[in-house]
Amino acid sequence: NAGVTQTPKFQVLKTGQSMTLQCAQDMNHEYMSWYRQDPGMGLRLIHYSVGAGITDQGEVPNGYNVSRSTTEDFPLRLLSAAPSQTSVYFCASSPRQGGVGGELFFGEGSRLTVL
Amino acid sequence: EDQVTQSPEALRLQEGESSSLNCSYTVSGLRGLFWYRQDPGKGPEFLFTLYSAGEEKEKERLKATLTKKESFLHITAPKPEDSATYLCAVQALGTKIIFGSGTRLSIRP
Repeated sequence: NAGVTQTPKFQVLKTGQSMTLQCAQDMNHEYMSWYRQDPGMGLRLIHYSVGAGITDQGEVPNGYNVSRSTTEDFPLRLLSAAPSQTSVYFCASSPRQGGVGGELFFGEGSRLTVL
Repeated sequence: EDQVTQSPEALRLQEGESSSLNCSYTVSGLRGLFWYRQDPGKGPEFLFTLYSAGEEKEKERLKATLTKKESFLHITAPKPEDSATYLCAVQALGTKIIFGSGTRLSIRP
C-alpha cells in the first residue's frame, strides 16, 4: 500500500521562485493537511482540508496556497519562496473528518531549502 | 489560544531505566489527544488517541495517560529501539490538530 506519497523528497530553490509540493493518498481519506517542521518548533499546521473543494488555514498559512479538487490530491504551492520557508514539509491524511477518533497518516516528508 | 507544551526536550536513559514524558495542554474543549513516534528522516507514526481524563492506553513498553491538564507517556524498561522523538498533539473545538515540539528520547545499551 502506497499510503501518503509526497514529491519531491528534496528541493533547492532560489528566493522568489515558485514551486508546488505534491501530496497524494490512496486511502480515500477525507481529511488532508500540510505541516512544516523546524528544529525546536515541532510540527506547525499550514493548511488543511476536510474534503474536496474545502480548504482552511492553519497556524502559519502566509506564503502558501492550497487547493483540493479531488479526494486524493492536496498540493501545496509556494508563490514566491523566501529563506524563512526552508523547512521539512509533511503531508498527512485521516479517515475521519478532522482526525477525531482516527490517527493522522504522514508522508515521508519533503525537504526544501531556499537560498 | 490553544497550546501544547512537551517536557523534557531531550531525555537520555539507560536500557531498562523506566521514565515518563510529559505533555501539558491548554485548549478550548479537548476532542482528542494523540501521541506519535518519529524516527530521524521519517514522518510521524501514530501511537495512541486519548479522549477523556482518566483514560489509559498501552502498547508494548508504552502507556499513555490523560488528566484534564496533561498527558504522560510512560516508558517501562526501554530498549535502544525505543529511541525516537515522541510528539504529542491535541484537537480542540474545530478540526485543527496542534502539535507540541516533541521529546527526543535516547536509550543507551
